[in-house]
Amino acid sequence: QSALTQPASVSGSPGQSITISCTGTSSDVGGYNYVSWYQQHPGKAPKLMIYDVSNRPSGVSNRFSGSKSGNTASLTISGLQAEDEADYYCSSYTSSSSPFVFGTGTKVTVL
Amino acid sequence: EVQLVESGGGLVQPGGSLRLSCAASGFTFSSYSMNWVRQAPGKGLEWVSYISSSSSTIYYADSVKGRFTISRDNAKNSLYLQMNSLRDEDTAVYYCARIDSSSWYFDPWGQGTLVTVSS
Repeated sequence: QSALTQPASVSGSPGQSITISCTGTSSDVGGYNYVSWYQQHPGKAPKLMIYDVSNRPSGVSNRFSGSKSGNTASLTISGLQAEDEADYYCSSYTSSSSPFVFGTGTKVTVL
Repeated sequence: EVQLVESGGGLVQPGGSLRLSCAASGFTFSSYSMNWVRQAPGKGLEWVSYISSSSSTIYYADSVKGRFTISRDNAKNSLYLQMNSLRDEDTAVYYCARIDSSSWYFDPWGQGTLVTVSS
């Protein structure tokens, strides 16, 4: 099972919006609405930000939103803040023998 | 508070073995499936293994199949990962993570334990 494809880096100025893409196949992202997104600050454990493509857990800012079109899922961060600077990973359930796959990860830089 | 705490990491020689533990608290451990996810230094997340709440269903990544064994003790609220025939490429921080079995997302995660395979 190959990792889902994400851009290595995305940057934006405070207050701007950015979007991170997560591209898979019809066996994972395209085949199920089980895409989740995780934020990871350096030296810390990942934190769930979005599940089921577009649902936000309680406590997560509504500046974070998710969507999906075909085999590509997206995470949008609006009103970018300094604290959003972190690595972001997507994940999907898959129909392969290894049922879960993560994305390659995206480093978000706030300029 | 829902909490997962890993332990058992350390330095081991190639070909050696190590057993990781994950202690769960703040939720009904026996009702949830659990996973191990690892992250090599400077690299991304890699799913390693899954175990259902009753241990009836287990999955492994191809990279560890035949070498690693996941298990759990619901009476002790604990998850384990027995790692044998360790290789340099197994060097990573290992996280345990609870999984929601209706939506397949990982939450919460433990703080991680570092496994270093080196001679």
